Amino acid sequence: NAGVTQTPKFQVLKTGQSMTLQCAQDMNHEYMSWYRQDPGMGLRLIHYSVGAGITDQGEVPNGYNVSRSTTEDFPLRLLSAAPSQTSVYFCASSYSRFGRSNSPLHFGNGTRLTVT
Amino acid sequence: QQPVQSPQAVILREGEDAVINCSSSKALYSVHWYRQKHGEAPVFLMILLKGGEQKGHEKISASFNEKKQQSSLYLTASQLSYSGTYFCGTEWANYGGSQGNLIFGKGTKLSVKP
Repeated sequence: NAGVTQTPKFQVLKTGQSMTLQCAQDMNHEYMSWYRQDPGMGLRLIHYSVGAGITDQGEVPNGYNVSRSTTEDFPLRLLSAAPSQTSVYFCASSYSRFGRSNSPLHFGNGTRLTVT
Repeated sequence: QQPVQSPQAVILREGEDAVINCSSSKALYSVHWYRQKHGEAPVFLMILLKGGEQKGHEKISASFNEKKQQSSLYLTASQLSYSGTYFCGTEWANYGGSQGNLIFGKGTKLSVKP
C-alpha cells in the first residue's frame, strides 16, 4: 500500500494564480482532511470529509475549496493564491468517519507551496 | 481553539527525562500524540481516551485527565531518535460523542544531545 500520496511535493505560484493540490489514499479510509503548517502555528485544519460527497470547513477554510467525488481522492483547490497561503500542506486520512478515538490520522508527505 | 502545549521547546541530554503538557479549554473526547521530524510528515504515537488511562509506547507514555482537559507525554531515558517536534491533537466532546476532527497544538520542539 502506498498510504497517502500527495502531489506535487513543491510548487511556486504567483499571486492570483490558481492550482489544485492532489491527495489520494489507498487504504479505503472514509475520513480525509487537509491541514496547513506554518512556523510556530502547528497544524491547522482547512477542510475535511467524512465520505464521498460530504465535505465541511475546518479552522481556516477561507481561500480554499475541496470536493470528494470518490473515497480515494480529496483535492484541495486554491482559487486565487495569496502570499498568506505560503505554507506546507498536509493531507491526512483516517479509517472511521465517526471520530478519531480509535482511528489515528495517516499523513501524506506534504506539499511545500510558495506564493510570490 | 487550539490546545496549549508547554514547554515550547526543550533540550535534553541522552538518558534524561522530559514531560510535555497539552491543555484544552474544551471538553475532550480523546487526545492524540504525534511526532514530526524535520522535513517529514507527522507520525502517530498514541491515542488517549476518556477515562484517565495511561498508555505506553516503548519508553514514551502518556496520561489523560479528562476532568482537567489535560494530557501529558512522558519521555524517559531519552534517545537521540526522540528528537523532533511533538504535537498533541485534541478531539472535542460533542453531546456525549465526538466532534470528529483533530485540532492540534503548536508543538513542542525536543532536541536530544549526545
